[in-house]
Amino acid sequence: DQQVKQNSPSLSVQEGRISILNCDYTNSMFDYFLWYKKYPAEGPTFLISISSIKDKNEDGRFTVFLNKSAKHLSLHIVPSQPGDSAVYFCAASESSGSRLTFGEGTQLTVNP
Amino acid sequence: GAVVSQHPSRVICKSGTSVKIECRSLDFQATTMFWYRQFPKKSLMLMATSNEGSKATYEQGVEKDKFLINHASLTLSTLTVTSAHPEDSSFYICSARAGAFYYGYTFGSGTRLTVV
Repeated sequence: DQQVKQNSPSLSVQEGRISILNCDYTNSMFDYFLWYKKYPAEGPTFLISISSIKDKNEDGRFTVFLNKSAKHLSLHIVPSQPGDSAVYFCAASESSGSRLTFGEGTQLTVNP
Repeated sequence: GAVVSQHPSRVICKSGTSVKIECRSLDFQATTMFWYRQFPKKSLMLMATSNEGSKATYEQGVEKDKFLINHASLTLSTLTVTSAHPEDSSFYICSARAGAFYYGYTFGSGTRLTVV
């Protein structure tokens, strides 16, 4: 039962263009969402998060959008840089608990 | 910022032996730590939640006698894979919560376990 899904295992974009990574969830109790970036053989690093009371959160080149009615969130990276190439995981949590549920990840490749 | 140190980063062991992985919070106290396992091209699967001074809470399907978790202090949690088999080969990652906020989840660098 995959409660958080990232349906695109990979995404390739050109440097300077926008990268859009998508994530869908099924658990309506989730009210906090996070994006993590992960390089091979390393642990994930926190990127950006959004609470369910918001529909957008921006931090520099990274913006996360949340559509609660569609149970969908997306991460926009603009402009994309080659150093952004990594696996991106979305994660979700319920306010009543402390565990994170992760999606399968999307491998982003930014080509110079 | 909050730093979580995980050791070893890579270990190869023989089938039937046990392996201990350490997870330390370096500059904060972590009452709760989490242990994840990642299969190739799969998501991070939560194995167990480790609470300082009490028994770990294991996720469904995770054998607690196989994966022993000890959280004896506010800065150290250990995961011991007992009687390891090749199917236990995986990438194990710990996480600690530095504060009450969700962005306070900090991950270790992971341990690549290979059982031969």
